[in-house]
Amino acid sequence: ETGVTQTPRHLVMGMTNKKSLKCEQHLGHNAMYWYKQSAKKPLELMFVYNFKEQTENNSVPSRFSPECPNSSHLFLHLHTLQPEDSALYLCASSQRQGAPEAFFGQGTRLTVV
Amino acid sequence: AQSVTQLGSHVSVSEGALVLLRCNYSSSVPPYLFWYVQYPNQGLQLLLKYTTGATLVKGINGFEAEFKKSETSFHLTKPSAHMSDAAEYFCAVSPPYGQNFVFGPGTRLSVLP
Repeated sequence: ETGVTQTPRHLVMGMTNKKSLKCEQHLGHNAMYWYKQSAKKPLELMFVYNFKEQTENNSVPSRFSPECPNSSHLFLHLHTLQPEDSALYLCASSQRQGAPEAFFGQGTRLTVV
Repeated sequence: AQSVTQLGSHVSVSEGALVLLRCNYSSSVPPYLFWYVQYPNQGLQLLLKYTTGATLVKGINGFEAEFKKSETSFHLTKPSAHMSDAAEYFCAVSPPYGQNFVFGPGTRLSVLP
């Protein structure tokens, strides 16, 4: 248990569906991150929020839309996804952006059919 | 720009044998260095980290790593492998001034009985 909780753990969605991934941390951290982990590819940083402000968007397609309503919660809204978006989506948090330790959630396994 | 390489996408060792997972990085300034472990369908868990001070750092589960600046390396070792060590291991770097982690591609460790 790292203190970062992601829900749901598994999600199957059609290409026309809209769904959201949720991440929650009660570690008092001010930075939160979304990563995508695909088979046989390195971890890809998608978005970073630092003190609720988005500071990074690594050329992520607009069908992925992050939201950070407060320092403890991070969402990833999904719509009209493609099968190649199937992956493990990991949320992480740290004291601040770039702090020397990040805590990861267990991930959401997303399958797009 | 920083980068991380991990030699060997898959390493197999016998139970009780030495574990050596290699990590090399490129960075214009001495970075912070990390090893994370990921068990199947789980998030990443911090094994150990180097920020400053002693270059040999000890982590959880009997793992340790040594920062060698001259070799730009941060190899992970464990004297005696256990079946429960089978997992994916990620080396990561972060510059000590507020930028994001860069992860290596990962090394899958198999432990043979």
